[in-house]
Amino acid sequence: DGGITQSPKYLFRKEGQNVTLSCEQNLNHDAMYWYRQDPGQGLRLIYYSQIVNDFQKGDIAEGYSVSREKKESFPLTVTSAQKNPTAFYLCASSMYSNSNQPQHFGDGTRLSIL
Amino acid sequence: QKEVEQNSGPLSVPEGAIASLNCTYSDRGSQSFFWYRQYSGKSPELIMFIYSNGDKEDGRFTAQLNKASQYVSLLIRDSQPSDSATYLCAVSRTGRRALTFGSGTRLQVQP
Repeated sequence: DGGITQSPKYLFRKEGQNVTLSCEQNLNHDAMYWYRQDPGQGLRLIYYSQIVNDFQKGDIAEGYSVSREKKESFPLTVTSAQKNPTAFYLCASSMYSNSNQPQHFGDGTRLSIL
Repeated sequence: QKEVEQNSGPLSVPEGAIASLNCTYSDRGSQSFFWYRQYSGKSPELIMFIYSNGDKEDGRFTAQLNKASQYVSLLIRDSQPSDSATYLCAVSRTGRRALTFGSGTRLQVQP
């Protein structure tokens, strides 16, 4: 089945630790996105990538980093510089890299601080 | 002014009624509009998208777009308890490759 797979489902971060969230898609989509959702809030864009080896900062990129070495993979690293990382992280993809395309989401990763 | 505004709710409707969810946006150049449903603790699921002024129907769902007034709405006919969820409005903005999301409206359908 085609889709977007995020792992792990739950993740705990210790103080000063970097953690990496995985996002893999087998939809052959060009564009991939990372969003953060806080309780009762909408989605805020962290990073997005239109093609392999290219990515752009979103609205809240500070404390996060990404890579796009393969079309199907777009991992997100939450660094120790992100002081309030507790949130629901959502990865999405769309067929083409323009905003007229609907985005489809993975199941998300919940990150908490230990 | 927020770029995409939604009433947070909850909007409570009885089973079988029509639920009307509204969204306003600030960028007059916005071209594409999306409605997502998000159940508690789950990821958003695409319900509908609309690009042109007017109505677009898909089963029990109708999206309505009025670009002159800068609003988009979602009507859910014959509401069911299983429709109880948060509905997110997402809008494309001029010169931006990603969508901008509203904070969502929580819908409660009472049996």
